[in-house]
Amino acid sequence: GESVGLHLPTLSVQEGDNSIINCAYSNSASDYFIWYKQESGKGPQFIIDIRSNMDKRQGQRVTVLLNKTVKHLSLQIAATQPGDSAVYFCAEIGNNDMRFGAGTRLTVKP
Amino acid sequence: DAGVTQSPTHLIKTRGQQVTLRCSPKSGHDTVSWYQQALGQGPQFIFQYYEEEERQRGNFPDRFSGHQFPNYSSELNVNALLLGDSALYLCASSLGFSSSTDTQYFGPGTRLTVL
Repeated sequence: GESVGLHLPTLSVQEGDNSIINCAYSNSASDYFIWYKQESGKGPQFIIDIRSNMDKRQGQRVTVLLNKTVKHLSLQIAATQPGDSAVYFCAEIGNNDMRFGAGTRLTVKP
Repeated sequence: DAGVTQSPTHLIKTRGQQVTLRCSPKSGHDTVSWYQQALGQGPQFIFQYYEEEERQRGNFPDRFSGHQFPNYSSELNVNALLLGDSALYLCASSLGFSSSTDTQYFGPGTRLTVL
């Protein structure tokens, strides 16, 4: 069946470097995508979203890129900080159906 | 402005028992969705409630049921618990019935352990 997945289950970066977390999706009907951050013991926290009529959206230190041709979504975090350490999930929404990927664990080394 | 709240924080049950989890949505939100998150996995959609009715349902058995109250709060009930039901149960709230038009805000979750 169609699903959301992530290329890298873990990512370790040096503090101050940029991080890139990737996500592949296969449901061509998905028209809305969200990145969530989940810290240990907490629920997912909204980071940034993007709709299918866009290919890039920027927030504070974060950028989401959407490539509909290859059904790929990425989250870029600039100047990664220790507080960015968490599991990051992409979620795709289409036909009122919301699906999450398995997540990528980002670890920031001081 | 209170965010999404859930109770209890942790719960331990034995196989065959029944459990009820509670959720209060973010102020101003009228839609509540429930998710099951197994360890190391992404959240899996259980169902969504709007106007006190179940509007959408994921691939979960009838042992999972819910309810929404007039104040928009919600309960998740699980009967005949199985070991595999052990997970973090997340509640998310949003405004309006359409997950494609409004962002869902998550609560901290209830950690259910079935022994």
